[in-house]
Amino acid sequence: TQLLEQSPQFLSIQEGENLTVYCNSSSVFSSLQWYRQEPGEGPVLLVTVVTGGEVKKLKRLTFQFGDARKDSSLHITAAQPGDTGLYLCAGWARGGGGATNKLIFGTGTLLAVQP
Amino acid sequence: DSGVTQTPKHLITATGQRVTLRCSPRSGDLSVYWYQQSLDQGLQFLIQYYNGEERAKGNILERFSAQQFPDLHSELNLSSLELGDSALYFCASSPRTGRNEKLFFGSGTQLSVL
Repeated sequence: TQLLEQSPQFLSIQEGENLTVYCNSSSVFSSLQWYRQEPGEGPVLLVTVVTGGEVKKLKRLTFQFGDARKDSSLHITAAQPGDTGLYLCAGWARGGGGATNKLIFGTGTLLAVQP
Repeated sequence: DSGVTQTPKHLITATGQRVTLRCSPRSGDLSVYWYQQSLDQGLQFLIQYYNGEERAKGNILERFSAQQFPDLHSELNLSSLELGDSALYFCASSPRTGRNEKLFFGSGTQLSVL
């Protein structure tokens, strides 16, 4: 079973601070995605990383895929209250017959940014 | 708005009952995925359909079943409900199937089993 562990589970910071969320697994994933979920809504895709070592930037958010494609990180610079939410990493796992068709979600990191 | 519609938004029922959750995918999307989200288990993959056929199965209980109809909408049937089935159920859709697909999630159905 492929598992994705996220750390920390909870994070409460002040506006303007920087933070990093980690997503780790003992398994190799063909790609990893990051989603953000707000209360009462479904997760919304932020980014997909495909190549080991890849770094992608989305405004103040920087995403990195580990060289071995087993881990990923999300770094937020100068956090704002609007960044508050549940951050989920997700990896495509191989299903039956070798087809990659299961998106497995991580344990989640709940971020609260205080104004 | 993701374009994925789930109904009903809230459902309150009793143990032993059966309910049906409905999902309409984004226009043009052929894949539908069902997930269950609870505080202790997180977001758990249940099942995926692609163009009417089952493509992948996750931790779906035997009491649960799903199908995708010719018009591509999907239904998740939960029977012999137990207190532990109380959770948020999400449907998601994507254009195709396979790795690197972008999933678009609905707003979920909050199921409360009393």
